[in-house]
Amino acid sequence: AQSVTQLGSHVSVSEGALVLLRCNYSSSVPPYLFWYVQYPNQGLQLLLKYTSAATLVKGINGFEAEFKKSETSFHLTKPSAHMSDAAEYFCAVSVGSGGGADGLTFGKGTHLIIQP
Amino acid sequence: NAGVMQNPRHLVRRRGQEARLRCSPMKGHSHVYWYRQLPEEGLKFMVYLQKENIIDESGMPKERFSAEFPKEGPSILRIQQVVRGDSAAYFCASSPLQGSYEQYFGPGTRLTVT
Repeated sequence: AQSVTQLGSHVSVSEGALVLLRCNYSSSVPPYLFWYVQYPNQGLQLLLKYTSAATLVKGINGFEAEFKKSETSFHLTKPSAHMSDAAEYFCAVSVGSGGGADGLTFGKGTHLIIQP
Repeated sequence: NAGVMQNPRHLVRRRGQEARLRCSPMKGHSHVYWYRQLPEEGLKFMVYLQKENIIDESGMPKERFSAEFPKEGPSILRIQQVVRGDSAAYFCASSPLQGSYEQYFGPGTRLTVT
């Protein structure tokens, strides 16, 4: 079985500062990894995904994440935070037994706060 | 191309009533997933369906919950005899038939049991 741990339920950064949201996964087989963002009272929007191609993955809104097998990590970063980045961020894993078409296992989420 | 549609967006039920949540996947998507988000918790996988088939229901509570995805029409998540603990946001996601690993989420249905 796979699992995801997101370190820090709340992260606060200043506008313009580096954003770093941590995600560690546990999986017995090579995983597929995802970051989603959720704005208040909305559904989840896919930011980026890792599916065993390049280990550095670029996503939307300036976010990127690096898959590090040795550290079982998939941390999300953005060089310069913007006020509109304030939201809940979820890391998720799938082991892709059905070609990726199976249920995702989510971390508990990190609430990103942007200080003006 | 319309996204994943869910209705109703908000649903209030009294204890003991039935709740029916509907999900229309994105056009061309035949895989549907249901997740539940409880307060202070992350999203939990409930069930994975394809047209007329339940593929994986390992996350579904054993009683009172059922799901279907008929040949025609939306996918339905049905909760019978609701209790206060069923109050949550229920999200539906869809993905294409093959060759894709991401799931596209709907806006959710927020169920409140009074």
